[in-house]
Amino acid sequence: DADVTQTPRNRITKTGKRIMLECSQTKGHDRMYWYRQDPGLGLRLIYYSFDVKDINKGEISDGYSVSRQAQAKFSLSLESAIPNQTALYFCATTTGSADTQYFGPGTRLTVL
Amino acid sequence: AQKITQTQPGMFVQEKEAVTLDCTYDTSDQSYGLFWYKQPSSGEMIFLIYQGSYDEQNATEGRYSLNFQKARKSANLVISASQLGDSAMYFCAMRERTSGTYKYIFGTGTRLKVLA
Repeated sequence: DADVTQTPRNRITKTGKRIMLECSQTKGHDRMYWYRQDPGLGLRLIYYSFDVKDINKGEISDGYSVSRQAQAKFSLSLESAIPNQTALYFCATTTGSADTQYFGPGTRLTVL
Repeated sequence: AQKITQTQPGMFVQEKEAVTLDCTYDTSDQSYGLFWYKQPSSGEMIFLIYQGSYDEQNATEGRYSLNFQKARKSANLVISASQLGDSAMYFCAMRERTSGTYKYIFGTGTRLKVLA
């Protein structure tokens, strides 16, 4: 089984809809991140969390919110989706001593 | 200013040849980490190699090596003996400590195409 899972893997929704992307990890890591990837822009940080009570905004948090329900679960919500939120979304985890982040498989979101 | 710069949007290499993907970075931290990830067309992000700022030797992982030139602030990825399966997007990333927390910053990527 994958260590970092994301659901759904693909989603098509309409402008104005609320949508939640979920991330779960079995690696026991305390730090979790949400990124979005757009063509030509690389990965940009939306939100990150270092434990259940710690939530921090990244560089592009407007229009997004997150919830850290447990150490293993970190959800990203789009309260009212808009077409320019169409992107590939990645969840990632790590620890303070790790040499890398571990990425989920990504969620491809299309907002019509 | 860009923290991570990958100046090659696309690269071609002949199968079995070596290729170097460029990455320069900008940080005022003394302690930082540099990473390379591979993203095949299927979309997942695959960790390839890591170099710590205090590591004196260049990191190597199989056919991947990281050419770390600290004074020039460059962290180029070298892929030896390219294979068709190496065709993918490659991202350089840096972990730095900002406001007491660690953040990862990614470059815009280089698309590598290996030719048969």
